[in-house]
Amino acid sequence: GAVVSQHPSWVICKSGTSVKIECRSLDFQATTMFWYRQFPKQSLMLMATSNEGSKATYEQGVEKDKFLINHASLTLSTLTVTSAHPEDSSFYICSAQRALREYEQYFGPGTRLTVT
Amino acid sequence: QKEVEQDPGPLSVPEGAIVSLNCTYSNSAFQYFMWYRQYSRKGPELLMYTYSSGNKEDGRFTAQVDKSSKYISLFIRDSQPSDSATYLCAMSAGNQGGKLIFGQGTELSVKP
Repeated sequence: GAVVSQHPSWVICKSGTSVKIECRSLDFQATTMFWYRQFPKQSLMLMATSNEGSKATYEQGVEKDKFLINHASLTLSTLTVTSAHPEDSSFYICSAQRALREYEQYFGPGTRLTVT
Repeated sequence: QKEVEQDPGPLSVPEGAIVSLNCTYSNSAFQYFMWYRQYSRKGPELLMYTYSSGNKEDGRFTAQVDKSSKYISLFIRDSQPSDSATYLCAMSAGNQGGKLIFGQGTELSVKP
């Protein structure tokens, strides 16, 4: 149990276009999902926290108008990188937290975004 | 000073060795302590979690938490080449909506 999927796993897009990444909890309900960014050989950087049915909470320094997060159901959250630029190229990982089990956070396999 | 400090390594050991991975932290409010394993180009996988102080064992893995010293450890016995990965410690105060604070990660290589 506790499987989280992400789609796509790898995406290449042109500068100026938008990209949507989906995060799904496959076998449990996730009241909270988190979006992280990770650069090579570095730890995870939390971008935002999303709760089902409410607006996401963004970490300091993260542009909320650039990284749009939607958490429409208890099993699905999406991250849209708008007007992507090469500096947005990175590994994006989501995690899902089980209801009432705050310490159990399960990660998706990640999405590698390359902006050309 | 970072809230969570972790030696980035890399750490290289021979197969069968006992591996000790450690993190220190500064926030005494942390109550939940996790260890994640991350293979290259993959998402982190939850290995162990511990609430408050104490030890927890799961197969070849043992997690220890010493809240008085603000120090946590993960021990891997009889290490295998398949254990080669980056190990991340993570912590939570339990009152921030599940927000985790991660260490930098330690890159481990187990040589056959």
